[in-house]
Amino acid sequence: AQSVTQPDARVTVSEGASLQLRCKYSYSGTPYLFWYVQYPRQGLQLLLKYYSGDPVVQGVNGFEAEFIKSNSSFHLRKASVHWSDSAVYFCAVSACAQGLTFGLGTRVSVFP
Amino acid sequence: DTTVKQNPRYKLARVGKPVNLICSQTMNHDTMYWYQKKPNQAPKLLLFYYDKILNREADTFEKFQSSRPNNSFCSLYIGSAGLEYSAMYLCASSWARGTEVFFGKGTRLTVV
Repeated sequence: AQSVTQPDARVTVSEGASLQLRCKYSYSGTPYLFWYVQYPRQGLQLLLKYYSGDPVVQGVNGFEAEFIKSNSSFHLRKASVHWSDSAVYFCAVSACAQGLTFGLGTRVSVFP
Repeated sequence: DTTVKQNPRYKLARVGKPVNLICSQTMNHDTMYWYQKKPNQAPKLLLFYYDKILNREADTFEKFQSSRPNNSFCSLYIGSAGLEYSAMYLCASSWARGTEVFFGKGTRLTVV
């Protein structure tokens, strides 16, 4: 069975600063990896996904993530955050026929 | 239109009473999912339909029922609600397991 660990429950950053959210997964095969964001009173929205190929994937709103197989990691990054990036971010892994397995999420608070 | 719609957005139920949640999608996706999300926990997959085939997670097998009368609609049914069922219920759909999954805004169920 697969699992996802997001070690940081909360992250606070200043507007304009860079952001990195950590994600480590456990899966014996080749995973499909995702980052979702949940804004207040909204459903989950896909930020980016990795299936294969270039390990650095670009997503919406300036987010990117890097797949490092040797470290079983899929960290999310943004060079300069905006107050509207305040949300909960979920890392997820998908294995064939088993749906998405999510991490606990990281709540990001951006202060002006 | 890549929306998944859930009704209602908020639902109040009494302990011991049945609950039925509705989800629809217009993307003709072959797979529809139901997740349960509680505060400070990861979204948890309850069950999913691949076409007409229902797959339920082992630890929630007896707690939730579902039906998919056609490709666009899927319901989640709780026969007798308990306090522990209070949560956000997220419906999602995709073309096939392991590809991009689209989420609805969720139904917040409160059992009293």
